[in-house]
Amino acid sequence: LAKTTQPISMDSYEGQEVNITCSHNNIATNDYITWYQQFPSQGPRFIIQGYKTKVTNEVASLFIPADRKSSTLSLPRVSLSDTAVYYCLNTGTASKLTFGTGTRLQVTL
Amino acid sequence: EPEVTQTPSHQVTQMGQEVILRCVPISNHLYFYWYRQILGQKVEFLVSFYNNEISEKSEIFDDQFSVERPDGSNFTLKIRSTKLEDSAMYFCASRPTSGGTSGANVLTFGAGSRLTVL
Repeated sequence: LAKTTQPISMDSYEGQEVNITCSHNNIATNDYITWYQQFPSQGPRFIIQGYKTKVTNEVASLFIPADRKSSTLSLPRVSLSDTAVYYCLNTGTASKLTFGTGTRLQVTL
Repeated sequence: EPEVTQTPSHQVTQMGQEVILRCVPISNHLYFYWYRQILGQKVEFLVSFYNNEISEKSEIFDDQFSVERPDGSNFTLKIRSTKLEDSAMYFCASRPTSGGTSGANVLTFGAGSRLTVL
């Protein structure tokens, strides 16, 4: 199991771009990098997943450098409703998918 | 959009009682999971289940806990002799296939069952 590391919390103003970086120092060759979002009192929700370079969907972009030892989740023009905890998953076996400590994003006006 | 359904949404029980939390995973999913989240803390892995048996379990998942797939749709978590520290949100999750961590193999979570032990 390769544990990830990410900042405990971040603050942003509405309308700004937010970048949350996660380190994956011991990521295995065939592991994908996956991010989840969790609102208070709700279950985690899949945001985005990638293997290398850049992936973009309607919610976010994910940047993965060539060495794959880190990843950056980018949220464009955040709003108050993006206030949540963002998790990058620890990599390892698919039968034991574990969450790191998460980054608590607080968006204010 | 298919979803994972959990019942009850909230259960209050007395210390020492047994609790069963129920989950209906997405119908074509093969892998099932239970996670726990104590208030204000991170999401903790409890157990994964595939082909009618436990695949992995964490150190939290001791003899007090058990899981079962009693029929083709339900997936249950039983907590025997509940303790105050079992108070938490319990999340069920499922994913489509058995191999790898890529692509479609992302977890879909239910809304959770809040357990309060008094």
